[in-house]
Amino acid sequence: EPEVTQTPSHQVTQMGQEVILRCVPISNHLYFYWYRQILGQKVEFLVSFYNNEISEKSEIFDDQFSVERPDGSNFTLKIRSTKLEDSAMYFCASSDRPNYGYTFGSGTRLTVV
Amino acid sequence: AQSVSQHNHHVILSEAASLELGCNYSYGGTVNLFWYVQYPGQHLQLLLKYFSGDPLVKGIKGFEAEFIKSKFSFNLRKPSVQWSDTAEYFCAVNSGGGADGLTFGKGTHLIIQP
Repeated sequence: EPEVTQTPSHQVTQMGQEVILRCVPISNHLYFYWYRQILGQKVEFLVSFYNNEISEKSEIFDDQFSVERPDGSNFTLKIRSTKLEDSAMYFCASSDRPNYGYTFGSGTRLTVV
Repeated sequence: AQSVSQHNHHVILSEAASLELGCNYSYGGTVNLFWYVQYPGQHLQLLLKYFSGDPLVKGIKGFEAEFIKSKFSFNLRKPSVQWSDTAEYFCAVNSGGGADGLTFGKGTHLIIQP
């Protein structure tokens, strides 16, 4: 079964540093997403991406965040200057038909110290 | 704005017991509804989904859910749970077009005792 792959599985970074979280969506999918889950809290939508542009973003997705599809296979989330409160599990997801549901990756646990 | 409420945050059942997890949403338009499961240490997996048609949907692993539009509910059911069903269960919704992000509930932590 096709999978969404995320790397790294765990990243520790110092406050103020830039991080890039990487995702390889399923190859024939056209819609891409990032979500995050702060420990003990619910999964929160960050951003959706389609046709090489952001189609929707949440209030959480401020100027510190950006997404990019640098080539035909990767989908990245960049946090420019990390804060302690950015510590969370970040999930990438992709879909070919969004109202049919998404396939999630296994997540990247980001720890900001 | 959409919101999703899952009223049971922790549920403990014995094996073979029947399960029903509540999910209510608030949104005035057409919605797509989902249940995801997250086993310990694993990623979110889609259990089942509803976007149109028969309001009773069947998913993987013997789970089913019923969309009751008048009650804005999409409760998850399983007639007989197993120890391997121990996991976190999330209800989620997005608008009818589907390209929008999912709004998740806070999740229900289900523990099945052998």
